[in-house]
Amino acid sequence: KAGVTQTPRYLIKTRGQQVTLSCSPISGHRSVSWYQQTPGQGLQFLFEYFSETQRNKGNFPGRFSGRQFSNSRSEMNVSTLELGDSALYLCASRVGGPTDTQYFGPGTRLTVL
Amino acid sequence: AQSVTQPDIHITVSEGASLELRCNYSYGATPYLFWYVQSPGQGLQLLLKYFSGDTLVQGIKGFEAEFKRSQSSFNLRKPSVHWSDAAEYFCAVGAGDTGFQKLVFGTGTRLLVSP
Repeated sequence: KAGVTQTPRYLIKTRGQQVTLSCSPISGHRSVSWYQQTPGQGLQFLFEYFSETQRNKGNFPGRFSGRQFSNSRSEMNVSTLELGDSALYLCASRVGGPTDTQYFGPGTRLTVL
Repeated sequence: AQSVTQPDIHITVSEGASLELRCNYSYGATPYLFWYVQSPGQGLQLLLKYFSGDTLVQGIKGFEAEFKRSQSSFNLRKPSVHWSDAAEYFCAVGAGDTGFQKLVFGTGTRLLVSP
C-alpha cells in the first residue's frame, strides 16, 4: 500500500498570505489528523477529520482550518500567515477506530517570510 | 491534561553500546503509549506501541519498551545501537474522549551515535 502523501513538500509564503496544504491518506483510512512541528513548541495537534467531519481540535487560532473530502483526502488552510506559522506540517492517517495506529506522511515544510 | 516528558534532549552513544531513552507520562486513565522516530527531513515512523497486556513490547529495528505503571514510564531500549539509529525519538501518549484521537508528544530526544 502506498503511504501517506503530502503536497507540496516545501512552500515559501510571505506574511499575510494564505496557504493550503494537501494530504492523501493510506487507502482505506478514514481518519486524517494534522500536526504542527516547530523547534520551540515541538509537535502539536491541530485537528482530526473523520468521514468529512472534524472530530477533535487542538488549541490553535481560527486562522487554521481544515476539511476532508469524500475520498478521505484532507486539506488544511492557514489564512493571514504570520512568521510564527513557519513549521513542518505533518499529516497522519488511520483507519478510524479508537485504537488504530496513526501513520505519518513526510510533511510539508512551510516557510513564512 | 495529558503530558509527556522526555528528560534527555540529546544522548550520545557509541556504536554497539546499549541505549535507553526515558519517557514519563501523565494521563488519568490507562494510557496508549507510542514511540516514533524521525530522521532529518522525514515524517514520523512508528517504532512500537503499548495498549494493554504484556508490559514489555517489541518493536521494529530491534527496539523494545517497557511500560511501568507505578513509575508512569515507558522507556525505550535497544541492546546494540547502529549508526543508522541516529535520529530524533519521540514518545507520545494517545489522548481523547474515545481512545486516542490525538497524540500528545514529548519534546523528543536526539540520539547521536559515535563510531
